[in-house]
Amino acid sequence: DIQMTQSPSSLSASVGDRVAITCRASQGISTSLAWYQQKPGKAPKLLVYAASKLQSGVPSRFSGSASGTDYTLTISSLQPEDFATYYCQQYYSARTFGQGTKVEIK
Amino acid sequence: QVQLQESGPGLVKPSETLSLTCSVSGGSVNSFYWNWIRQPPGQGLEWLGYIHYSGVTKSNPSLKSRITISIDTSKNQFSLKLSSVTAADTAVYYCARDAIAYDYWGPGRLVIVSS
Repeated sequence: DIQMTQSPSSLSASVGDRVAITCRASQGISTSLAWYQQKPGKAPKLLVYAASKLQSGVPSRFSGSASGTDYTLTISSLQPEDFATYYCQQYYSARTFGQGTKVEIK
Repeated sequence: QVQLQESGPGLVKPSETLSLTCSVSGGSVNSFYWNWIRQPPGQGLEWLGYIHYSGVTKSNPSLKSRITISIDTSKNQFSLKLSSVTAADTAVYYCARDAIAYDYWGPGRLVIVSS
């Protein structure tokens, strides 16, 4: 089974900050990685797929990148509506989610 | 616009079988993969399994033989059965379309396992 290790588990940031969240895969998954945003009481929302492709309608301040088995979601300038929990997911073999990163207001 | 909606009992007794259905509108289940995901209260997301319209299924090994996923193309819906439930199966259960990643989700259905 492929494990996804996501870090940090939480972070505090201010509006306007640049934020980066990382996931490391336990083995190679090519670019079969997605990022989701979840707000309390709501279903997750797809932000990025294929490691770096932005889903339609997602603001350009979100971006995804990959280096080996490390994947990063970057928010270039945090907005009030971005405070949420973020999950990575691999879909190379079966499906696995990372543990989640809660982005809180500093 | 594709829409998914979970339905089924919100309360299940321990040792019984949890059954949920996901109804799809605005699109056909005769394409893509269709998934079940759950989220225990205050915890992260757990992938349960998926089904393709051809009938191919794959499930999370942690669930062993407790899970069954089926599809009814005539009703444009797919279903989840989880047997021998315990309190650890209490969660919000989501269905989702798997095109390239999960682009459409249902709103979720809270299922509580309790006597």
